[in-house]
Amino acid sequence: DAKTTQPNSMESNEEEPVHLPCNHSTISGTDYIHWYRQLPSQGPEYVIHGLTSNVNNRMASLAIAEDRKSSTLILHRATLRDAAVYYCIQSSGGYQKVTFGTGTKLQVIP
Amino acid sequence: GAGVSQSPRYKVAKRGQDVALRCDPISGHVSLFWYQQALGQGPEFLTYFQNEAQLDKSGLPSDRFFAERPEGSVSTLKIQRTQQEDSAVYLCASSYQHGISPLHFGNGTRLTVT
Repeated sequence: DAKTTQPNSMESNEEEPVHLPCNHSTISGTDYIHWYRQLPSQGPEYVIHGLTSNVNNRMASLAIAEDRKSSTLILHRATLRDAAVYYCIQSSGGYQKVTFGTGTKLQVIP
Repeated sequence: GAGVSQSPRYKVAKRGQDVALRCDPISGHVSLFWYQQALGQGPEFLTYFQNEAQLDKSGLPSDRFFAERPEGSVSTLKIQRTQQEDSAVYLCASSYQHGISPLHFGNGTRLTVT
C-alpha cells in the first residue's frame, strides 16, 4: 500500500498559520494526495485533495511540490477547533483506495 | 442533509459472540468503505463496495469478518466468534462515486470484546 511520512505531532499558536508537511516519495503519476482530519470521538473529515497543482478551498490550501514527492497542508489561521489528527494520504488504484497512516496530531495553543 | 449513520454507537460483546454493525450511507452514494481503527492508530482499510458489488476485501483480517451491501445502500459488517483483538472502532464511509470523490465518514461503532 502507498505510504506517506508525516511528523507525529506539531504545535501552533491560535490565529497563526500552520504548515503541515507530508512526504510521499513513492507517488506515481495517477496517485492523488488527500488530507483528512479527525477530531476526538469522530470519524475522519475530508479537508482537501489534489493531483499536481496547488489547491485552495474554504478549509485549507494544499501546496504540492513540483516533483510531487511532498506536499504541505496550510491552515491560514489556526483556531482551537482545528486541533485534530491530520492524515496525509496517497490514494492509489483504479478506485483511488484511501490508506491512512498514523497522521500528525496538531495542538493549537490559545 | 443526513450524513453517514452507523449503529450501534457502542457495542460490548463477550468473546465468542457474533456481532453485526450497520452503516447507512448518504443517499445516492455509490461507493462504500469499511475501516477498523485501533486506539491511537489511523484507520485501517477493510473492504470496498461499488453499489452492491464487493470489489475489494483485501483488508478483512480473517474469515470471521464478512461484509455485505445487498441492495447497494445499507451495509452490514458481521464479525463471527469475536476475539479480544477485534476490539476497535469500526468506521464506515461513503462517496458519490468511485475515484477521487471525498469520503464522508460516520462516527463509527466502538466494539469492545470482553
